[in-house]
Amino acid sequence: GEDVEQSLFLSVREGDSSVINCTYTDSSSTYLYWYKQEPGAGLQLLTYIFSNMDMKQDQRLTVLLNKKDKHLSLRIADTQTGDSAIYFCAERTGGSYIPTFGRGTSLIVHP
Amino acid sequence: DTGVSQDPRHKITKRGQNVTFRCDPISEHNRLYWYRQTLGQGPEFLTYFQNEAQLEKSRLLSDRFSAERPKGSFSTLEIQRTEQGDSAMYLCASSTRPGQSNTGELFFGEGSRLTVL
Repeated sequence: GEDVEQSLFLSVREGDSSVINCTYTDSSSTYLYWYKQEPGAGLQLLTYIFSNMDMKQDQRLTVLLNKKDKHLSLRIADTQTGDSAIYFCAERTGGSYIPTFGRGTSLIVHP
Repeated sequence: DTGVSQDPRHKITKRGQNVTFRCDPISEHNRLYWYRQTLGQGPEFLTYFQNEAQLEKSRLLSDRFSAERPKGSFSTLEIQRTEQGDSAMYLCASSTRPGQSNTGELFFGEGSRLTVL
């Protein structure tokens, strides 16, 4: 079955880089996503990567995919207090329209 | 605002009562999803529509839960005889068919938070 695992908490200092990690089990995953959820709000899509890519960069965000190890990471450069939120990794296979989400990583940015 | 909207945002009810949530997706999106999120967990899939057809339901969707999307636009999620374990955030999302410019990624509403006393 499908399973997406994330560490639950990450604490960083403002201005440092944050790296949030995710592992998944479905080797047929085609699309991998990162979503951000602020308190009391819904999920906001941050970025995504196709399984045939190794890396994708979008401004302060860098996504790295190691398909062999089924490992996905999200790096946030120059982390700001406004980046404090829960970050969810999600995966979807090409044959399904239903993404599976991890439990989320709570990012705490302190001065 | 052309995002996904959900109503009500908060609902407090007594155990045994029925509740109904409404979701209005992004207008050009033909797929609509309901997820449930409890504290400390990620969204868990409940059900999904393509246009008016309900194509898949999770095992989490007991017979007390029913979802409809009668005209392929807005959707309702009804919970009958609510139980305390139903307390959660109910998230609605919509998407278009995957294509050259998108992966069929989900766009979420703000959620409807249910508290069952």
